[in-house]
Amino acid sequence: DTGVSQDPRHKITKRGQNVTFRCDPISEHNRLYWYRQTLGQGPEFLTYFQNEAQLEKSRLLSNRFSAERPKGSFSTLEIQRTEQGDSAMYLCASSRRESEAFFGQGTRLTVV
Amino acid sequence: AQSVTQPDIHITVSEGASLELRCNYSYGATPYLFWYVQSPGQGLQLLLKYFSGDTLVQGIKGFEAEFKRSQSSFNLRKPSVHWSDAAEYFCAVEGGRRALTFGSGTRLQVQP
Repeated sequence: DTGVSQDPRHKITKRGQNVTFRCDPISEHNRLYWYRQTLGQGPEFLTYFQNEAQLEKSRLLSNRFSAERPKGSFSTLEIQRTEQGDSAMYLCASSRRESEAFFGQGTRLTVV
Repeated sequence: AQSVTQPDIHITVSEGASLELRCNYSYGATPYLFWYVQSPGQGLQLLLKYFSGDTLVQGIKGFEAEFKRSQSSFNLRKPSVHWSDAAEYFCAVEGGRRALTFGSGTRLQVQP
């Protein structure tokens, strides 16, 4: 499968714990995005990488959130001190320059 | 700032009937426009895109969309709906920022 891969698919964590999600983009794509989607809403942009450089961050990305793409390939999204309001689907997407984005299946986070 | 409005939260059509899902965007110049479909618990699949050129674009699964600059609209259409089309549909715009801005989605229900 050469699509965007996200791991894990589901994560249940206790409030206050840290969680980390991984995204493996399509191999030739230099752009990588993270979005968050809550129930009944469209995805909301969190952050964007071009190669290893993080070029844009949304105001939604509080200081408890950090994303990396160390070698311009896979990316991780970490949430520290999780809160119940962090419960959502976290979607990763990748694209080439001037082309459409392809999405992964998402990681569903539940904070209890 | 760019924005997308999908006025219809929920639409029900009979199998075999025609379908039109509305999308209005706000952006100063000509944006890139997209329609994505999402099945429950899944990521997003691209149905079609408009970058430039012919304002009527064809997509997968028999869908098409028409870009109307004067109305700031990009409505999705299908002449005959199948039961498997039941899903959530999202319109998205890419304007001055490289990331997508999504509408809140339209849930399509198909009656036998």
